[in-house]
Amino acid sequence: GQNIDQPTEMTATEGAIVQINCTYQTSGFNGLFWYQQHAGEAPTFLSYNVLDGLEEKGRFSSFLSRSKGYSYLLLKELQMKDSASYLCAFLDSNYQLIWGAGTKLIIKP
Amino acid sequence: NAGVTQTPKFRVLKTGQSMTLLCAQDMNHEYMYWYRQDPGMGLRLIHYSVGEGTTAKGEVPDGYNVSRLKKQNFLLGLESAAPSQTSVYFCASSYAGDGNQPQHFGDGTRLSIL
Repeated sequence: GQNIDQPTEMTATEGAIVQINCTYQTSGFNGLFWYQQHAGEAPTFLSYNVLDGLEEKGRFSSFLSRSKGYSYLLLKELQMKDSASYLCAFLDSNYQLIWGAGTKLIIKP
Repeated sequence: NAGVTQTPKFRVLKTGQSMTLLCAQDMNHEYMYWYRQDPGMGLRLIHYSVGEGTTAKGEVPDGYNVSRLKKQNFLLGLESAAPSQTSVYFCASSYAGDGNQPQHFGDGTRLSIL
């Protein structure tokens, strides 16, 4: 079967660093996505990893280990506007996205 | 550039009523998708389309129908609404179905079935 798991909620302090983990199990894998979703809004694309390693985009970085079925999203220099839900999703063998339930990130001053 | 536009944004229906949700994209994308998002659950794929005139079932297709008569539009229909279909519905589109092409989402339709 297929499944994907991420923490329900995390809290961090403005200016700090936070790592949001995502684990998955699947027999067919074609990459992993991270999306950001502010409350009441649409998900917006953050990153895509298909090879092992770290991809950096400004304050955000995403890491993938295919052998471990593991990814994380790293957010640096946290700002209040980073308060949102972060969704991970993997692309299965049929090229359909299987989504986690999302991690709600709360940033405190 | 509007991206992906969904109408309506909000709707309240009575059990048994029917309605159509409209999705339009102006990015010339081939692939379009309908998802539902419920509290505590990930986005679930209802139906999708890989091109004009084609549709396919996703993970949770029962109770829904779709049509893709024009490349830019993807319609989701509820034939006889049930309270279990109360949800937020998102439409998305992508240039292709592979990983290099992320999906772009509309702002969602919040649907309540009484």
